[in-house]
Amino acid sequence: AQRVTQPEKLLSVFKGAPVELKCNYSYSGSPELFWYVQYSRQRLQLLLRHISRESIKGFTADLNKGETSFHLKKPFAQEEDSAMYYCALGALGDYKLSFGAGTTVTVRA
Amino acid sequence: DVKVTQSSRYLVKRTGEKVFLECVQDMDHENMFWYRQDPGLGLRLIYFSYDVKMKEKGDIPEGYSVSREKKERFSLILESASTNQTSMYLCASSLAGSGQGADTQYFGPGTRLTVL
Repeated sequence: AQRVTQPEKLLSVFKGAPVELKCNYSYSGSPELFWYVQYSRQRLQLLLRHISRESIKGFTADLNKGETSFHLKKPFAQEEDSAMYYCALGALGDYKLSFGAGTTVTVRA
Repeated sequence: DVKVTQSSRYLVKRTGEKVFLECVQDMDHENMFWYRQDPGLGLRLIYFSYDVKMKEKGDIPEGYSVSREKKERFSLILESASTNQTSMYLCASSLAGSGQGADTQYFGPGTRLTVL
């Protein structure tokens, strides 16, 4: 069975500082990986997925199959990045996603 | 733009009541999902459906059932609500069909259910 681990429940950074949210997964096959974000009082929404290789709102995430990681990074955090972030894994041939426990990011001025 | 709507934003029920949570999507998505979201536990899948009248248990199906009579509508039923079912319930839908694997899921705004 696949599993997603987000080791940090809370992350606090200053505005303009780099931010990295860790995501590790366990899955023997080729994974589909996603980052979702939930801003205050808004619905959960897709931030990015590894297959599209896009940079959204300045965030990037690289799949490292050797380390089974999909860390989310942004070089200069903004106050509007304060939110809850979830990493999610989809297995080949499956409809479901397995979500991590989430990381709450607070960007301080 | 995909729109997923849920019947209520807030709901307060008594222990033992039967509770219906409804979800509607307007993009002809094949797959629909029900999660509960709890602090420190992330999103846990309750049930999902990959076609009309088809359903599969997720990770925490106990105490819940679902119904999908039409493609656009997926209902979550708490047969006899208990206090430990107090939570935020999220509905989601996705497009990908059989064999295509996991696709982007689009979420509703959530229903915060309190069971007293």
